[in-house]
Amino acid sequence: EAGVVQSPRYKIIEKKQPVAFWCNPISGHNTLYWYLQNLGQGPELLIRYENEEAVDDSQLPKDRFSAERLKGVDSTLKIQPAELGDSAVYLCASSLRGPPSSYNEQFFGPGTRLTVL
Amino acid sequence: RKEVEQDPGPFNVPEGATVAFNCTYSNSASQSFFWYRQDCRKEPKLLMSVYSSGNEDGRFTAQLNRASQYISLLIRDSKLSDSATYLCVVISMDSNYQLIWGAGTKLIIKP
Repeated sequence: EAGVVQSPRYKIIEKKQPVAFWCNPISGHNTLYWYLQNLGQGPELLIRYENEEAVDDSQLPKDRFSAERLKGVDSTLKIQPAELGDSAVYLCASSLRGPPSSYNEQFFGPGTRLTVL
Repeated sequence: RKEVEQDPGPFNVPEGATVAFNCTYSNSASQSFFWYRQDCRKEPKLLMSVYSSGNEDGRFTAQLNRASQYISLLIRDSKLSDSATYLCVVISMDSNYQLIWGAGTKLIIKP
């Protein structure tokens, strides 16, 4: 079974440019998460989707970040305009339904490493 | 104070030794706890859930201490391949199931 797929794996852009990341979750997984991870830190949740509904976007900086999951499957995360401080790894994860639990494992994709110059 | 705290390490441990580290959390309403393993430049992967009664998976033992608000991970007979960063995750139902991650503890097993 294919895991969570993310693209691109690496992205280098200049500040003020837009950037977009794509995620394809594991087939059948209704819940999708976008995280940001800085070096030496744990992942920070940006947004959680249940199907196409964003059920938790409280940590998403909405002035420059946006996300969508129009058909409840693939998702894109966009930053416009990017700032130097946005350099990080952006991780996508999915789980069957609802928040992680002992019976609902969260699976991560390999991440997109963003460098803003 | 951070909601979830871990000693960043690194813990340098000889192969075959036993090592343990803790993760403290501040929200007493936290209900679900997990340990994840993250290799360098890789994504996190679930190591084990932490049950109230404690649980063991081979060389790994996880325990929860609600009174003192921490979880622990014990690794016995450590292998070189155990070298990684170990992240704890805490979920609080009163925060819309918000997932709070620790910054991780780096473990280095030396031959």
